[in-house]
Amino acid sequence: DAKTTQPPSMDCAEGRAANLPCNHSTISGNEYVYWYRQIHSQGPQYIIHGLKNNETNEMASLIITEDRKSSTLILPHATLRDTAVYYCIVRDLTGGTASKLTFGTGTRLQVTL
Amino acid sequence: GAVVSQHPSRVICKSGTSVKIECRSLDFQATTMFWYRQFPKQSLMLMATSNEGSKATYEQGVEKDKFLINHASLTLSTLTVTSAHPEDSSFYICSAGETLYNEQFFGPGTRLTVL
Repeated sequence: DAKTTQPPSMDCAEGRAANLPCNHSTISGNEYVYWYRQIHSQGPQYIIHGLKNNETNEMASLIITEDRKSSTLILPHATLRDTAVYYCIVRDLTGGTASKLTFGTGTRLQVTL
Repeated sequence: GAVVSQHPSRVICKSGTSVKIECRSLDFQATTMFWYRQFPKQSLMLMATSNEGSKATYEQGVEKDKFLINHASLTLSTLTVTSAHPEDSSFYICSAGETLYNEQFFGPGTRLTVL
């Protein structure tokens, strides 16, 4: 079972920041927070991941609360191409490349003009 | 990022036939590959973990004799849906574990329609 809770859907105006929340209150100390997105009828695309520090890359920023029980993915300037289902996943990397990803229901982000 | 391909991208077959789907890591070697299934408007469900040179590990409820997985090389895993039925119609997605960044990279998916 997925260990995360996300709102089922969100809307965002193009050019504005999209803030996608995720609750993972039962996360354990060695579990990372991963974000993927899936554009319709495509395979998931990796966005970002983190353990406890905030992270930023060319796609997004990840803000993790100090108690690690929740996080927020930030797309700083959403475009229509960011319309997708966004999945927040907690992942134990103990198994290395064999570590599983368990997908929850995700948040369907709709970016509008 | 690393590239994973799947072939075919879509396939239509008659009930009772078998269908093979290939998953290839194009620019890296993958000791571990994963197979997922996704029904319309649902999330991805992990079916099995494919390990190069050994038997796959199936998730609970997935029939190993129906979904045959072979991972014969570090760049290729295959999923064969045997004796396919309409209820097997789904979007099948593979991912490959990349060692350097310890990431999973996903293929574009294969849409299977069983008539």
